[in-house]
Amino acid sequence: DSGVTQTPKHLITATGQRVTLRCSPRSGDLSVYWYQQSLDQGLQFLIQYYNGEERAKGNILERFSAQQFPDLHSELNLSSLELGDSALYFCASSGRGSDQETQYFGPGTRLLVL
Amino acid sequence: GESVGLHLPTLSVQEGDNSIINCAYSNSASDYFIWYKQESGKGPQFIIDIRSNMDKRQGQRVTVLLNKTVKHLSLQIAATQPGDSAVYFCAESLYGGSQGNLIFGKGTKLSVKP
Repeated sequence: DSGVTQTPKHLITATGQRVTLRCSPRSGDLSVYWYQQSLDQGLQFLIQYYNGEERAKGNILERFSAQQFPDLHSELNLSSLELGDSALYFCASSGRGSDQETQYFGPGTRLLVL
Repeated sequence: GESVGLHLPTLSVQEGDNSIINCAYSNSASDYFIWYKQESGKGPQFIIDIRSNMDKRQGQRVTVLLNKTVKHLSLQIAATQPGDSAVYFCAESLYGGSQGNLIFGKGTKLSVKP
């Protein structure tokens, strides 16, 4: 168990809809990262937040947005969903103690868009 | 973990043998490298990392070797066990891993025969 939690575990929705994925980092970690894992693209970095502020941005679509709250949990919002958004979405956290750089991953949310 | 991509390289080894998983990274400026293990239905699990100022690092039953000249990374697993069966990903970072942008390889599926 990495200490990173994600909800929900599974999500089934329809095209055009909007969903919110939630992540709680390990206790004390300040950074939260979001990744998408699909069959054809592998693990792709989406976005990073550090202590509430956006720090780095990757291949995140404009339809997607994220935020990190004062209690350090993060949410990834996916809107106007398309079939191709079906994927596993992982959250990772880092920033505690001597292993500040190591990113620890949560169990993921499996999104299926029908 | 999920099979990433339609043509995931596969390594099949006998239980008790040593395994070597190879990875070619893309950016000569990358300064931090990390190996993850992903089991079916789970998120990537940290195995070992290495900075670019090192060429070898050892953990428990695992060794990572870094050859910057040819941009090559390898993970050696000693006395491979059935529980080591998983997909293994290497990842690289330009910013020491703490500023997002972990770039993941496509993964190698390790299958351990009892």
